[in-house]
Amino acid sequence: GDSVTQMEGPVTLSEEAFLTINCTYTATGYPSLFWYVQYPGEGLQLLLKATKADDKGSNKGFEATYRKETTSFHLEKGSVQVSDSAVYFCALSGTQGGSEKLVFGKGTKLTVNP
Amino acid sequence: EAGVTQFPSHSVIEKGQTVTLRCDPISGHDNLYWYRRVMGKEIKFLLHFVKESKQDESGMPNNRFLAERTGGTYSTLKVQPAELEDSGVYFCASRNTGRNSPLHFGNGTRLTVT
Repeated sequence: GDSVTQMEGPVTLSEEAFLTINCTYTATGYPSLFWYVQYPGEGLQLLLKATKADDKGSNKGFEATYRKETTSFHLEKGSVQVSDSAVYFCALSGTQGGSEKLVFGKGTKLTVNP
Repeated sequence: EAGVTQFPSHSVIEKGQTVTLRCDPISGHDNLYWYRRVMGKEIKFLLHFVKESKQDESGMPNNRFLAERTGGTYSTLKVQPAELEDSGVYFCASRNTGRNSPLHFGNGTRLTVT
């Protein structure tokens, strides 16, 4: 079945450092790909998405490009801030079982120190 | 617009007891989903309602879990009797009809079974 593998955390960076969180997927067909973020004490929020190969999703300085040839959707940010500290989840949309649903990775906890 | 709300935010119960989680989706959203994250693992799909009907319940772990959605409005997820492995965070999400409608998540209910 469909699956998502993302970089194990936790990841600790200093403010203004470059961030990469790797994500690869296995899926039948052509899923949409997502990054969700969970800030402390809050629910999951959609950070960005891409619906087809070579699409680039971007939001709040974060970017990820849908790479069909490498089945990847790595999350990047050029200069992280303390406020980016959160858990990041890579996900894809699958339609197994007759219902469109999300398949998530395990999550990567990011801590950014001042 | 009010978001997806979940009650309670935390619940601590003993093994063998019963717990009922509630989710109020965004008004007018026909699609309602339950997901669960067991400690350190992926967020996993449990089931999907369209209005009051179960569209897909392939992710429900066993018959100790019962989900309902009365009148197509709020939903409840009952665990009876609870086991230690049921501990985790239970997320509810809703979205409007339409393939590209975004999914809105609640803050989750943290369930601890001791």
